[in-house]
Amino acid sequence: DQQVKQNSPSLSVQEGRISILNCDYTNSMFDYFLWYKKYPAEGPTFLISISSIKDKNEDGRFTVFLNKSAKHLSLHIVPSQPGDSAVYFCAAKRSGAQKLVFGQGTRLTINP
Amino acid sequence: KAGVTQTPRYLIKTRGQQVTLSCSPISGHRSVSWYQQTPGQGLQFLFEYFSETQRNKGNFPGRFSGRQFSNSRSEMNVSTLELGDSALYLCASSLLSSGGASTDTQYFGPGTRLTVL
Repeated sequence: DQQVKQNSPSLSVQEGRISILNCDYTNSMFDYFLWYKKYPAEGPTFLISISSIKDKNEDGRFTVFLNKSAKHLSLHIVPSQPGDSAVYFCAAKRSGAQKLVFGQGTRLTINP
Repeated sequence: KAGVTQTPRYLIKTRGQQVTLSCSPISGHRSVSWYQQTPGQGLQFLFEYFSETQRNKGNFPGRFSGRQFSNSRSEMNVSTLELGDSALYLCASSLLSSGGASTDTQYFGPGTRLTVL
């Protein structure tokens, strides 16, 4: 039972354009969502998060949108840079618990 | 401030052996969680420790165990290793302010790559 899904295994975007990564969840008890970036053989690096009381959070080039009714969140990166090429994981958690439930990841490639 | 550190970074064991992995959280962080990453199953939660107590456990067999020390450092142990235990084992720490705020972010270490032959 995959509670967090990232349906696109890969995404290719031209440098300078917008990258949009999507994530769906099924458990309505999740109330906090995070995006991590990961390079091979390294640990995930925290990018940005959003609480279920908000529908948008921005941090520099990164914006996360949350649509609770659709149980969908997305990460926008603009403008995309070559250094953004990595695997991006969406994760979700419930109040009072530290357990993160991860999606399968999306490999983002930024082309010059 | 130093990040989460994990030792060793790489480990090769044979089936049937046991292994202990170590994690030092970010200074001041009180919660430590462990995750397993494999190509087939992705990133999966193993367990979480806070104040030397295991608070939550994922769906893994009893061969997987852990503990946390009074300085918040944590170890995880896998006994009777199987080929399928080959994975990247990740440790994450979070501050966990009073009450365990849901918004406490987990920060990950570089992981330990375990290969079972």
